[in-house]
Amino acid sequence: KNQVEQSPQSLIILEGKNCTLQCNYTVSPFSNLRWYKQDTGRGPVSLTIMTFSENTKSNGRYTATLDADTKQSSLHITASQLSDSASYICVVSAWGTNAGKSTFGDGTTLTVKP
Amino acid sequence: KAGVTQTPRYLIKTRGQQVTLSCSPISGHRSVSWYQQTPGQGLQFLFEYFSETQRNKGNFPGRFSGRQFSNSRSEMNVSTLELGDSALYLCASSPGAAGGNTGELFFGEGSRLTVL
Repeated sequence: KNQVEQSPQSLIILEGKNCTLQCNYTVSPFSNLRWYKQDTGRGPVSLTIMTFSENTKSNGRYTATLDADTKQSSLHITASQLSDSASYICVVSAWGTNAGKSTFGDGTTLTVKP
Repeated sequence: KAGVTQTPRYLIKTRGQQVTLSCSPISGHRSVSWYQQTPGQGLQFLFEYFSETQRNKGNFPGRFSGRQFSNSRSEMNVSTLELGDSALYLCASSPGAAGGNTGELFFGEGSRLTVL
């Protein structure tokens, strides 16, 4: 069964600090992995999308890594800001699976405090 | 390019009523998928439509239904509302190539349904 597990479930950090969110998956055959940011009450917004051959991808202060061998991904946030407070969702797609039926993680809720 | 538009943004219904939510995808996108998100829960996949045909379906009761029109706009309907249907309903569009595409989903802002 395809699964995506994210950790930690929630995280509180001080403004300016760095943090790393984890995503482990068992989706097969792997096609791509995406990280989304969802502000409270809003729709998710894409941060990065990574395919099998990509190890690292950055989007400003967000850097995602992918280890396809261990089936793990991480999202590193550098110099956090109050606006980073949100839920971060890891989504994995398998080949032959349409985008809409991707496997979603339950998300990590990040709170950045001043 | 306009994003995904969902209407209405907020609505309140009572148990037993029905509700219809609308989603206009990004121009040129042919796939529309729907998700339910309850407090503290991850996104639960409802169904996906592509070229007016339901392509995938999640594990929701038959009270949840949808359709897609020739212009790719989509609607979802929930009949005989229950308290547990209170949630944020999200719609996402994608270009909709065959399986194995990049999988990029573009989400709308959602419709927040409250059932009293």
